[in-house]
Amino acid sequence: DVKVTQSSRYLVKRTGEKVFLECVQDMDHENMFWYRQDPGLGLRLIYFSYDVKMKEKGDIPEGYSVSREKKERFSLILESASTNQTSMYLCASGSQGNQPQHFGDGTRLSIL
Amino acid sequence: SQQGEEDPQALSIQEGENATMNCSYKTSINNLQWYRQNSGRGLVHLILIRSNEREKHSGRLRVTLDTSKKSSSLLITASRAADTASYFCATSFNYKLTFGKGTLLTVNP
Repeated sequence: DVKVTQSSRYLVKRTGEKVFLECVQDMDHENMFWYRQDPGLGLRLIYFSYDVKMKEKGDIPEGYSVSREKKERFSLILESASTNQTSMYLCASGSQGNQPQHFGDGTRLSIL
Repeated sequence: SQQGEEDPQALSIQEGENATMNCSYKTSINNLQWYRQNSGRGLVHLILIRSNEREKHSGRLRVTLDTSKKSSSLLITASRAADTASYFCATSFNYKLTFGKGTLLTVNP
């Protein structure tokens, strides 16, 4: 079975901090994705990567950056955390093409 | 945006009944996928239907796709309490998924 592991289930940070969310997948998938999920808004794509060192902006990239130095690892970075970035963050991976994505259990991030 | 929209937003049924959820979308798709999310967990892929398919089955799940109406439906037959979850449709195009806001299904024992 595909396993997508997110480094933390719950995280509390302060405004202005630089925050790193880590995601690792064990299925050699080319594509990796970061979403945020908010009540009433569903899942929204922040960034995705289709190869090592490659990244593409999703629908809501402002305030975020990403890093993919190795195929199995995709990091989401909040450069200067703000309270409106309090959310559930979900990482996913998938093979090439329009294939199903496999999700981690999410990180519930609170910015105080 | 080609975001899918699920209908209804919430559905409450008794165990053993069938549950039907609908999804509408706006633009072209390569395929349409349905996912389930249990409370506080990540999404789990249920079924994928390609744009040239009209119906697909997987166990107690039946999915239909009508590309002329840009709509899909997910039917869960003989529901169980364990089916209680949020269900999302997602349209796939150019390697990206665009999710709807989901239907919260509650199956009462």
